[in-house]
Order: sequence, then C-alpha cells, then structure tokens
Amino acid sequence: DIQMTQSPSSLSASVGDRVSLTCRASQSIDNYVNWYQQKPGKAPKILIYAASSLQTGVPSRFSGSGSGTDFTLSISSLQPEDFATYFCQQTYSSPEYTFGQGTKVEI
Amino acid sequence: QVQLVQSGAEVKKPGASVKVSCKASGYTFTSHHIHWVRQAPGQGLEWMGIINPSGGSTTYAQKFQGRVTMTRDTSTNTVYLELSSLRSEDTAVFYCARDKENSSTFFYGDLDSWGQGTLVSVSS
Repeated sequence: DIQMTQSPSSLSASVGDRVSLTCRASQSIDNYVNWYQQKPGKAPKILIYAASSLQTGVPSRFSGSGSGTDFTLSISSLQPEDFATYFCQQTYSSPEYTFGQGTKVEI
Repeated sequence: QVQLVQSGAEVKKPGASVKVSCKASGYTFTSHHIHWVRQAPGQGLEWMGIINPSGGSTTYAQKFQGRVTMTRDTSTNTVYLELSSLRSEDTAVFYCARDKENSSTFFYGDLDSWGQGTLVSVSS
C-alpha cells in the first residue's frame, strides 16, 4: 500500500495568515493527489484534484502543488470558514486509494 | 443539484450485519461510479470499495474482502453497502461518494460529492 503522511498533524493560525500543509507519499505517485476539507460533523469536500487543479466553486485562495512524493496545499489568506481538517488522498494506486491522517487547522 | 442521501444511524451487536443505503439524485445514476469510505471516531478516512452503478461490478479493498458487499438498484438510483461480522472496531461513520469522472467505464478516485454519512455503532 502507498502510505500518505501529512505534516503537521495540527497547526494554529490567524485569519489572514498564509498556511501550507504538506503530504508525503511513500513512493512516487506522479501528480495523483487530491485534497479534501472536512469540518466537524460534515462530509469531506474536494478542494484540489490532480495535485494542482482547483475544483469548481472552490475559492482561489486554495492552491495545490507538487509531484512525485511531496505535495503542498496552500491557503493564501486564511478565512474564518477555513478552520477545518484537511486530508490528502493518493489516486495512483487504483483503486486501493489511501488518505493521509489529516492536518487540523485551528485558530 | 447532485445529492447523495444516506440512511440513518444504526446500532448493532458484534457479529451482526449492517446495510447502509445511498440514494442518488440530480445526475445520471449510471454515469458515475460510487465509492464507500469510512471514518472511525476521531480518525482519518479509509477507502472501502467501489461499485459501478451501470453494470453492478465492484472492487473491494483487500482489508474488507469477504465481509463487504456493495449492490445497486437502478430502479431507485440507490446503492447499498453491507458489512458483516461486525466488531467494535467497525464503529464508524460510513460515507458514499461519487466519482467525478462522467463515465460508465472509467473512474479516477476524485470524490466530488458525498453523502451526509451514516454512523454505525457496534457494541454489546
């Protein structure tokens, strides 16, 4: 199985901050990474697919980058509604998809 | 708009089975594969398997082979997840999620619409 390791597991930030979340794959996975946002008690929501493509309707302050084993989700100016947990997912090893353990973004 | 509506919470005893439903609307049911993902309390996301609503073919994660069955009913646009031989470690929220790819043949694992989740609690 391909392991996805996210760091940090949590971070504290303020409204207006730029934050970067990291996801590392246990082997090269090209650009087969998605990012999801999950708020408490809610289902995940896709933000980024194929490492850097913004899902329709997602604010442009979210961006993704990376290829191979190292990937980053960036939020350019943190908004109050962005405080949530973020998961990366690899879709390289189809269909045994795996997720990272999540990064919680707190105030 | 695309909607996936799941059945309500369940409480089961160890050894029992549970069947969760996921009713789709707002798109052509047979044009998008459906995945099932579970999340134990306070934990991450775990992919369980996928069903093609068009032909009914399935692929399950190795971890769940032999215990999981995914089916669909095209007359009601509903997919089902059945998990048997439940144990306490199966206590989780189960989600159905639509594959973004508009194809009855291909899927890529990009999950663009999710059900609201169904909590299954397993306790003696």
